[in-house]
Amino acid sequence: SYELTQPPSVSVSPGQTARITCSGDALPKQYAYWYQQKPGQAPVLVIYKDSERPSGIPERFSGSSSGTTVTLTISGVQAEDEADYYCQSADSSGTSSFGGGTKLTVL
Amino acid sequence: QVQLVQSGAEVKKPGASVKVSCKASGYTFTSYGISWVRQAPGQGLEWMGWISAYNGNTNYAQKLQGRVTMTTDTSTSTAYMELRSLRSDDTAVYYCARVEGSSGWDYWGQGTLVTVSS
Repeated sequence: SYELTQPPSVSVSPGQTARITCSGDALPKQYAYWYQQKPGQAPVLVIYKDSERPSGIPERFSGSSSGTTVTLTISGVQAEDEADYYCQSADSSGTSSFGGGTKLTVL
Repeated sequence: QVQLVQSGAEVKKPGASVKVSCKASGYTFTSYGISWVRQAPGQGLEWMGWISAYNGNTNYAQKLQGRVTMTTDTSTSTAYMELRSLRSDDTAVYYCARVEGSSGWDYWGQGTLVTVSS
């Protein structure tokens, strides 16, 4: 598996914009996905194929990609967005990896 | 509605095996794959492997090669993950997730806690 690197934590005040990055050498060639996980719950897909949003996910969640870094942006953060966020991608053989996760704290 | 329902919690001794099931409903089982992911207490997500429900092809994480086997039973729309030679660091919540090509892992099971303790 290959490595995906995320910051351990990000803190923002309600209404501000949170940006969570994920870096990996294969990201220019492979799609990235983002999952939100709240305590005691299964992960939830919030972004797929770098920037697509599944149905039912609020518009304040968006994704972007530039070179070896992908970014999850949450605009107008709400208290309910406090969670752990994981990026995920796969290499050309189909082997998947997760980033180490980022704890988003809403101050 | 799409649902993945996993089997219940297990307690195993070191060296034993565990088999976790994931029963799918609400979609055509053979049109998707199933990935298995685990999460040790207080830790991040770890990908374990993937199986195609269409043809049974598998891709396992190198770290678990030789200890893990993923299978499906299309007659009951159920996926299975068996992990052998359990160690204490296999203690984790194990999740199954539906996989559709590049559209991500859009539905997840509720998780199964496997505790390995002597």
